[in-house]
This record gives sequence, structure tokens and C-alpha cells, in this order.
Amino acid sequence: AQSVTQLGSHVSVSEGALVLLRCNYSSSVPPYLFWYVQYPNQGLQLLLKYTSAATLVKGINGFEAEFKKSETSFHLTKPSAHMSDAAEYFCAVSPGSTGNQFYFGTGTSLTVIP
Amino acid sequence: DADVTQTPRNRITKTGKRIMLECSQTKGHDRMYWYRQDPGLGLQLIYYSFDVKDINKGEISDGYSVSRQAQAKFSLSLESAIPNQTALYFCATSDSGGSRNEQFFGPGTRLTVL
Repeated sequence: AQSVTQLGSHVSVSEGALVLLRCNYSSSVPPYLFWYVQYPNQGLQLLLKYTSAATLVKGINGFEAEFKKSETSFHLTKPSAHMSDAAEYFCAVSPGSTGNQFYFGTGTSLTVIP
Repeated sequence: DADVTQTPRNRITKTGKRIMLECSQTKGHDRMYWYRQDPGLGLQLIYYSFDVKDINKGEISDGYSVSRQAQAKFSLSLESAIPNQTALYFCATSDSGGSRNEQFFGPGTRLTVL
């Protein structure tokens, strides 16, 4: 079975500070992992994805995530938060070998404090 | 023009009414999905379709039905709407032959059932 846990439903950081959003997964097969961002009143936009190539994945807007198999984690980071990063972030897992049904985490709302 | 469109964007209806939400895509993808988003619950899969003749139930299909009228069109119906179906609904698409396991989302339909 596949599932995703996002620790912290709300995260606040100061502008310019490090952003760290946590995601842990469980998967019975090698997974594909994703981070999506949802800005207010919009759909979900792909930030980055891990599909069994490099374990450190770089995405859009300066975000990156590292796949750590031993920790079953795929945490999202950005060195310096910007006001425009305020949004809802979702981690998702897909069992890569069986098609592309996704399982989403419950989301983390990021607030950036000026 | 958006690749994945949803109509309507907002809908208010009454308990017991039949509602249809429509999704169209111009991406040429074969796979389409319907999700609902509730605060604190993330996205939950309602139905998915891997091609025109293939329909599958997701995690929360009770009270919903779907129709895949063409490769580009996938509609979601609530035969008799109830208040706990008030939510944000998203359509998504993916390509089985391309960048597998990446899903592309529409802008969402906000449904309120009174």
C-alpha cells in the first residue's frame, strides 16, 4: 500500500529564511515522488519530481528535494523564502511500476512573514 | 489557452439536485482523473480512466459517477447532491507514453451543496 505523511499542516518562515517542508512516504514498490504547489484559487502545479534518477531533485522557483530511501523521506527545501512562496504544498507518491495513480499527502500551508 | 479546463468554476446547488462537472483537455493525454479536495484532507481520488473504454473507482467513489465521452472529455456527476459533497473538485490528466506519472491539473470547480 502507498501513503504519504506531511508533518506540519502549517509552517511559517520569515522572508529570506530556509524553507523545509517534510514528507515521508510508504510504498510497497519503488516509488515516484512529487511535490505540487497550489496558489490561492488555482489548481496544482508541479514543483519537482523524483523518478529513480538523481536523488537530489531541483525544481522550479529555487526549490529542491532529496530522496532518502533509508528514511523514506522526500523533504522539500528552499534556501531563502520569498513572499511569493506562500501557498499550499502537497507531496504525492505514485507506484511507478503499476501506472500513475497518485496518493497525496494532506498538504502544508506555507506562510512567509515579511 | 489552458491545457486542462473545467466547467463550471463555481456552482451552488441544493440537496437532491443532479450536478455534472465537466473536464476537457487539449494535451492529447489518454489518462484522466477526478479528485476532491477538502481542507486538511488533501486530495482524494474519486474516479480515474486510463482510456475511453476504461473507468475505475478511486478511494471515494460512492455518490459519484463518471463518463468518458471522448479521449479529451471526462465528466463527473453527482446524481443526488448532498451537503458533505461540498468541496473543491479537480480534474487531472497524464500521458501513459510520455513523462509517466506526472499529472497535470485543471483550475478546479468549487461546489457548494446547500
